[in-house]
Amino acid sequence: QVQLQESGPGLVKPSGTLSLTCAVSGGSISSSNWWSWVRQPPGKGLEWIGEIYHSGSTNYNPSLKSRVTISVDKSKNQFSLKLSSVTAADTAVYYCARDLGDYGPRKTYYYMDVWGKGTTVTVSS
Amino acid sequence: SSELTQDPAVSVALGQTVRITCQGDSLRSYYASWYQQKPGQAPVLVIYGKNNRPSGIPDRFSGSSSGNTASLTITGAQAEDEADYYCNSRDSSLGVFGGGTKLTVL
Repeated sequence: QVQLQESGPGLVKPSGTLSLTCAVSGGSISSSNWWSWVRQPPGKGLEWIGEIYHSGSTNYNPSLKSRVTISVDKSKNQFSLKLSSVTAADTAVYYCARDLGDYGPRKTYYYMDVWGKGTTVTVSS
Repeated sequence: SSELTQDPAVSVALGQTVRITCQGDSLRSYYASWYQQKPGQAPVLVIYGKNNRPSGIPDRFSGSSSGNTASLTITGAQAEDEADYYCNSRDSSLGVFGGGTKLTVL
């Protein structure tokens, strides 16, 4: 079955750029679903960061949109997150997830059925 | 911006039934999905769509929807159900999570 694994630096300096990669195994990055990033600051709830389709289409959280870039690398079967101009408020556990969607009855629905284990990123000098 | 509102904390006696709710205008157009998260672990999908459970999720978990409110019901709560629960939905194609509900099993 599909498995996801986040990787990247655990420490980023303030004003720098956070860069993470999510490796997809057991399935293809080109399958018909979105691939998402979610984060969770210490002691707080989940926050949706954004998502990408294998075609390169993206959707971003409006509160982060000016600083976020999500990209896909089909050759490596992975997708990536870049978050620029980071501050201490960006310190969090970052998760990647597979996001599926469907319709019925009467409404559309999306759901994240596979998650990575998460990686902790600390913003500090 | 879209919002999903959850009660911060709910408690239930062992073996009893508990309902966790999620409110938001986007729920009139989208079904919510529900996630269970235990300390130090990644979230786990427990309910999606109208009332679908992934393989491996006990049938004591169920979901429902009415108007702008989605509900997660645990019938016969077990000690291992103590966790944080998050609802998730969409608004104009953008994802949004509720603030989470901490469930305590007494």
